[in-house]
Amino acid sequence: QQQVKQSPQSLIVQKGGISIINCAYENTAFDYFPWYQQFPGKGPALLIAIRPDVSEKKEGRFTISFNKSAKQFSLHIMDSQPGDSATYFCAASMMSNYKLTFGKGTLLTVNP
Amino acid sequence: DGGITQSPKYLFRKEGQNVTLSCEQNLNHDAMYWYRQDPGQGLRLIYYSQIVNDFQKGDIAEGYSVSREKKESFPLTVTSAQKNPTAFYLCASSVTGQNQPQHFGDGTRLSIL
Repeated sequence: QQQVKQSPQSLIVQKGGISIINCAYENTAFDYFPWYQQFPGKGPALLIAIRPDVSEKKEGRFTISFNKSAKQFSLHIMDSQPGDSATYFCAASMMSNYKLTFGKGTLLTVNP
Repeated sequence: DGGITQSPKYLFRKEGQNVTLSCEQNLNHDAMYWYRQDPGQGLRLIYYSQIVNDFQKGDIAEGYSVSREKKESFPLTVTSAQKNPTAFYLCASSVTGQNQPQHFGDGTRLSIL
C-alpha cells in the first residue's frame, strides 16, 4: 500500500516558469511533510518542510501548499531555473516514530 | 566539515557473497537510517537505529543486516539472501525527536557481477 502518492513522474518546464509537484497521503497520523531535492549521483537534501497546522510555507522561490482536509500537499517552484533540474521527493512522517515515507519522485527538467 | 560519509561509492558483488557498506557521520546524531533507492521507486527504509546498540527493521529488511556499536557508525551488510541487491543505497542521520530533518550521504551503488 503506497502511503504517499506523488505526481507527475516527470515534468518539463521552461526557464522562468512555475513547476508544480503534487503529493497525496492516506494516513491522517502523518504530521510532518518535507520535500527533498536530489541531483544525479548524490543523496537527497532537505529543501523545505511543513506541519499540518500551517497552510502554506515559503522559502525563496520554493513554496509548499498544504490542504489538510484533502490530504494533499504540493511544491511550487517559482521562476524555475536550469539549476533546479533534479529529482524531487515528497515525504511524510508521524510523531510516534522517526520513519519517513517517501513518494516515488518527480524528475524535473528546466529547459533554458 | 560535518556530514555523512558513505564508502565505497561503487561496489560489485559476486553471486553468493556478502558485502558490507560503510556509513560514518560526524554530526553527533543519535539516529541513523539505511534506505534503498531503485529507479522510479523512491526511497524505501531498510533499517534504522535511534541509539547505539539498538536498531529496528524497516519496510524491506529481508536479506540485510546492520550493527550499531558506535554512535558515528552504522554499517549495512547485504547478504546472499538478498536476491535482488542491485540498487543505490543511501545512509542518513538525524537528531532524535519529533520531526527532525534527515541528512543523507551521497550513496553507494551496488551491482552484481
